[in-house]
Amino acid sequence: KAGVTQTPRYLIKTRGQQVTLSCSPISGHRSVSWYQQTPGQGLQFLFEYFSETQRNKGNFPGRFSGRQFSNSRSEMNVSTLELGDSALYLCASSKTGYEETQYFGPGTRLLVL
Amino acid sequence: GESVGLHLPTLSVQEGDNSIINCAYSNSASDYFIWYKQESGKGPQFIIDIRSNMDKRQGQRVTVLLNKTVKHLSLQIAATQPGDSAVYFCAENRGYIPTFGRGTSLIVHP
Repeated sequence: KAGVTQTPRYLIKTRGQQVTLSCSPISGHRSVSWYQQTPGQGLQFLFEYFSETQRNKGNFPGRFSGRQFSNSRSEMNVSTLELGDSALYLCASSKTGYEETQYFGPGTRLLVL
Repeated sequence: GESVGLHLPTLSVQEGDNSIINCAYSNSASDYFIWYKQESGKGPQFIIDIRSNMDKRQGQRVTVLLNKTVKHLSLQIAATQPGDSAVYFCAENRGYIPTFGRGTSLIVHP
């Protein structure tokens, strides 16, 4: 069974630009969560989607948004990039999202200059 | 094993030793716990999980212990190998959103 895939793996952007990251979950998984990982803050929850609906949201500004498609694939978008948005963005999938193991993708490394 | 700022706690062991990594969790209502391993340049990888109705669970070379009284979780790795070198962190789950600890860096010397 194929794992979670994320594209692109690396990105370099400049301040003020926007970026879209993509995540394909494990087949049969309907819950997709996004996380930001930085050395200073560790893993922080961004949001979770289930059946094309955002079900939970972390404490991030509105510049961070996402969506999920009918095939469970998900995208997240960050608008008006700031230097502090430089991070590893991880996507994780699970069957239902409720108190179960999440399977992570390799992440997208975003560098904002 | 909670970290402060940029620095993760580090555990250095010799190959073949047993390793114990600790984690303090915060929510007494959490009822599902997971240990993850993250190697450099990769996403976190599931190691072992435990539900709150258990105190101990064993996997292949790994054991997780849960002490709900003091809200403490530990991961024991038997016969540690160089390939075990990574950052290990625990996650506590209550509902849909897991909360992750900062992690402990395990360094295994051959």
